Amino acid sequence: NAGVTQTPKFQVLKTGQSMTLQCAQDMNHNSMYWYRQDPGMGLRLIYYSASEGTTDKGEVPNGYNVSRLNKREFSLRLESAAPSQTSVYFCASSGWQETGANVLTFGAGSRLTVL
Amino acid sequence: AQSVSQHNHHVILSEAASLELGCNYSYGGTVNLFWYVQYPGQHLQLLLKYFSGDPLVKGIKGFEAEFIKSKFSFNLRKPSVQWSDTAEYFCAVNTGGFKTIFGAGTRLFVKA
Repeated sequence: NAGVTQTPKFQVLKTGQSMTLQCAQDMNHNSMYWYRQDPGMGLRLIYYSASEGTTDKGEVPNGYNVSRLNKREFSLRLESAAPSQTSVYFCASSGWQETGANVLTFGAGSRLTVL
Repeated sequence: AQSVSQHNHHVILSEAASLELGCNYSYGGTVNLFWYVQYPGQHLQLLLKYFSGDPLVKGIKGFEAEFIKSKFSFNLRKPSVQWSDTAEYFCAVNTGGFKTIFGAGTRLFVKA
């Protein structure tokens, strides 16, 4: 059972280049998320997809786009990378609990450096 | 906007010492509270969660946390830490929607 799989694990980009981070989950979860982790700032939500066919902005969406390709896959795209987007990116998924709370299952992370 | 504060960014303890990591949140309504842990080289994983009921919740590896509503706090405790507890710990709050807000994290280093 792979859980949440992200690719690539590491990437170095030059300013202005574009790239897509891929994420797939095999837990039949409805909801998927992209977070970024920066030192001293914890994890901040970039975008989320409550269910297949929907996407919504999180706390820090500027400079990013997302696609919920199907129930399993949720990709994050940087159209024109900037040094401020140097970070570790985490994909997560969740099923919907009876209480309405979301327990997140995370991928291993993707470390992106923008020069 | 909701926020989560973790008081200690770095903690260094010797094995067998007791641990308490502080977490406070700002939200006046019903909350669901979490502690996640990231061991070196591993995924973030759930340590424990509080949804309702007994405010003292127990998680994996001997960790527990106490929800004190009047103090907006959800502190993490462990009576006796081990070297293998070296990790980064994140407090998180969900107010019922899809947005879970994380604290800045606390890096714990346990000396053998």
